[in-house]
Amino acid sequence: EAQVTQNPRYLITVTGKKLTVTCSQNMNHEYMSWYRQDPGLGLRQIYYSMNVEVTDKGDVPEGYKVSRKEKRNFPLILESPSPNQTSLYFCASIRGDTQYFGPGTRLTVL
Amino acid sequence: DQQVKQNSPSLSVQEGRISILNCDYTNSMFDYFLWYKKYPAEGPTFLISISSIKDKNEDGRFTVFLNKSAKHLSLHIVPSQPGDSAVYFCAARPLHETSGSRLTFGEGTQLTVNP
Repeated sequence: EAQVTQNPRYLITVTGKKLTVTCSQNMNHEYMSWYRQDPGLGLRQIYYSMNVEVTDKGDVPEGYKVSRKEKRNFPLILESPSPNQTSLYFCASIRGDTQYFGPGTRLTVL
Repeated sequence: DQQVKQNSPSLSVQEGRISILNCDYTNSMFDYFLWYKKYPAEGPTFLISISSIKDKNEDGRFTVFLNKSAKHLSLHIVPSQPGDSAVYFCAARPLHETSGSRLTFGEGTQLTVNP
């Protein structure tokens, strides 16, 4: 079954404690992306990747890092999380103009 | 600034009636538009799209209309069903992007279809 998986689905952490949200796709797509969803703001792109070792900033990259060491995985890294990074995060795998989203990760930073 | 705007946070309609969700954009470089549907606790899923060379695209009960001069698009759902209750996101892609990697999304509209 074609899918995008994210882990964890829910996470509560404290300010400054480094965390990683994993994303994996089994569709062999070259393009992948990370978004955050906030009330009244919709989905905003954090980072995207065009292929292995090729990444670029989206609209709201501050405070985030990504890596793409292999095609199927695109982890999102928060080196020093802050409360304003409390949000719902979605990873997407992209084919053509269609984005296939993961189920989301609800992050709370206290 | 919000380049893709969905001015209605919510919409409520009766089952069997038409649902019309609206979306406005400001960037004249956008040339491809998409609608995504999102159920609670799930990621958004692609619903329908339209290229700027068209003014209408239809897929079953879903039709998207594009008015380029007004920078406005709308999604019509006829007839509406309770299972259509979800958040609908409008998204746009700029002309120079050859992939769908740089989509700009609107804020979303919560549609509720009442039985």
